[in-house]
Amino acid sequence: DGGITQSPKYLFRKEGQNVTLSCEQNLNHDAMYWYRQDPGQGLRLIYYSQIVNDFQKGDIAEGYSVSREKKESFPLTVTSAQKNPTAFYLCASNPARGPQYGYTFGSGTRLTVV
Amino acid sequence: ILNVEQSPQSLHVQEGDSTNFTCSFPSSNFYALHWYRWETAKSPEALFVMTLNGDEKKKGRISATLNTKEGYSYLYIKGSQPEDSATYLCASNTGFQKLVFGTGTRLLVSP
Repeated sequence: DGGITQSPKYLFRKEGQNVTLSCEQNLNHDAMYWYRQDPGQGLRLIYYSQIVNDFQKGDIAEGYSVSREKKESFPLTVTSAQKNPTAFYLCASNPARGPQYGYTFGSGTRLTVV
Repeated sequence: ILNVEQSPQSLHVQEGDSTNFTCSFPSSNFYALHWYRWETAKSPEALFVMTLNGDEKKKGRISATLNTKEGYSYLYIKGSQPEDSATYLCASNTGFQKLVFGTGTRLLVSP
């Protein structure tokens, strides 16, 4: 079955450390997205990529970095510059370079800074 | 930044009740309106994507309508069942830009 795999499900990070969240899709989708969820807030866009080797900042990109070296993979690095990294992170994809198609989501990674 | 509002924040109904939620969004430069269902411990699942004013879509007991002129969409659930319990998210965008999500409506259906 096609889908999006996010790993790990839970992640604990010490303050000052960088950490990378994995997102892999086998749907042959061009576009991939990273969202962050905090309590009481809607999903907020961190970064998105519409094609391999290209990506754009979303609304809350500070303290994060991404790469898109392969179509199926879009890892997110949470750097030590991210002031409040504890959150739930969702990866999504869709088949075209635009949101007129529904998104497919992964099951998320919960990151906790200890 | 585009502002997408959903109401109510949460809803508790009895099995068999019909219910509806509202999503409001800026009507200028509208492009698409999405509805997702997000069950606990699962991934959000796309329900509907609507692009035209007056669009109505249906999936089993769930249906949605779209009014792009006044900037709102309704999601209806007929004869709610406990398995309908979830958070329902709507999202919209302008032009060809990225989606912006509302905070969701949390529905609990009691047997």
